[in-house]
Amino acid sequence: DAMVIQNPRYQVTQFGKPVTLSCSQTLNHNVMYWYQQKSSQAPKLLFHYYDKDFNNEADTPDNFQSRRPNTSFCFLDIRSPGLGDAAMYLCATSRDHPLARDEQFFGPGTRLTVL
Amino acid sequence: GDSVTQMEGPVTLSEEAFLTINCTYTATGYPSLFWYVQYPGEGLQLLLKATKADDKGSNKGFEATYRKETTSFHLEKGSVQVSDSAVYFCALSDDNNNDMRFGAGTRLTVKP
Repeated sequence: DAMVIQNPRYQVTQFGKPVTLSCSQTLNHNVMYWYQQKSSQAPKLLFHYYDKDFNNEADTPDNFQSRRPNTSFCFLDIRSPGLGDAAMYLCATSRDHPLARDEQFFGPGTRLTVL
Repeated sequence: GDSVTQMEGPVTLSEEAFLTINCTYTATGYPSLFWYVQYPGEGLQLLLKATKADDKGSNKGFEATYRKETTSFHLEKGSVQVSDSAVYFCALSDDNNNDMRFGAGTRLTVKP
């Protein structure tokens, strides 16, 4: 089945220690998104890639970076995690450009704990 | 800017009860509307969608109708099951924003 895969499902890191979360997709979609979801809140978009074109949301902290080496993979790098970065991180994809009003397909998420 | 407002929870129902979760939206364009469901510890799954006015989305007994005149997309199910216990998010996507705009989510608990 075509799907969005996130690894690991649970990640524990220490305050200030860089961490990388990964996402892969077998849908061959053009767009990949990273959302942050804190407890009992709606997901908040951090950035997205439309093909190789990176688009950062205006309020995404510099501490968060992303890489998309190919169509299938996208990484979220947190350079110096703070306690406030503990959250569920959701990867999503869509076939067309974000402005095409298309549905998004979500992975299961990675829950990040910062000690 | 575009936004989604949905009924605050939590909502607790007995099995086989009727469910309504209200959702209204504000958008300058012509959005597509979605309901996503999130089970505990999981990502979001698309439940249903509607892309234009008067469309009805339906899946697994859930329904929602895109009402442009009332800017609403209320979720309904005639008879809920314990397995429907989850958080439900109403969302919109239009040609003005890069992201999917989500409501705050409504937690549903169905008791046997």
